[in-house]
Amino acid sequence: GNSVTQMEGPVTLSEEAFLTINCTYTATGYPSLFWYVQYPGEGLQLLLKATKADDKGSNKGFEATYRKETTSFHLEKGSVQVSDSAVYFCAFLSGGTGGFKTIFGAGTRLFVKA
Amino acid sequence: DAGVTQSPTHLIKTRGQQVTLRCSPKSGHDTVSWYQQALGQGPQFIFQYYEEEERQRGNFPDRFSGHQFPNYSSELNVNALLLGDSALYLCASSSLAEGRGDTQYFGPGTRLTVL
Repeated sequence: GNSVTQMEGPVTLSEEAFLTINCTYTATGYPSLFWYVQYPGEGLQLLLKATKADDKGSNKGFEATYRKETTSFHLEKGSVQVSDSAVYFCAFLSGGTGGFKTIFGAGTRLFVKA
Repeated sequence: DAGVTQSPTHLIKTRGQQVTLRCSPKSGHDTVSWYQQALGQGPQFIFQYYEEEERQRGNFPDRFSGHQFPNYSSELNVNALLLGDSALYLCASSSLAEGRGDTQYFGPGTRLTVL
């Protein structure tokens, strides 16, 4: 069935370190892919998205590339900041004309130390 | 441009009670979906409303019901509350009228605690 697998957290990095959070998905067809971020005590914010194979989504220094061959959508950032500390969710859109829903991974908590 | 809004922010109920949560979608959006996020987990899809009808439903019991109003706002009702219903309830809106409606925008959530 439809599912998303993310690397387990927590991930702890020092400021300015390189970040990778792995994400793979199991889905029918080629769905739109997303990364959402959740800061402490808040709802979900859309971080970036990609709607077709080889598309690269980017925002706030984060980027992820839609890899159809490996069904992956890994999140990367070249230099993290303390303010990036949050939980990151990989997700995809499932459904069609009869309705749709977003399928989420379990989330990866990121801690960035000053 | 107001984003998705939800009320109340927090709610405390006891087992067996009933609760109603409210959501106003982002301006211009016509589709509302509800998700349950248990502590430490990813959100799980409850159901989706479009044109005041339930279009799709996740694996949640009939105790969970909803409604969409002509102004596109929505309510989530949960009857006979259980301790396991304690969670963050998220509302998401999107626009089918603009095409695939493939991006959902989420509200800040309502934190429900059942004692």
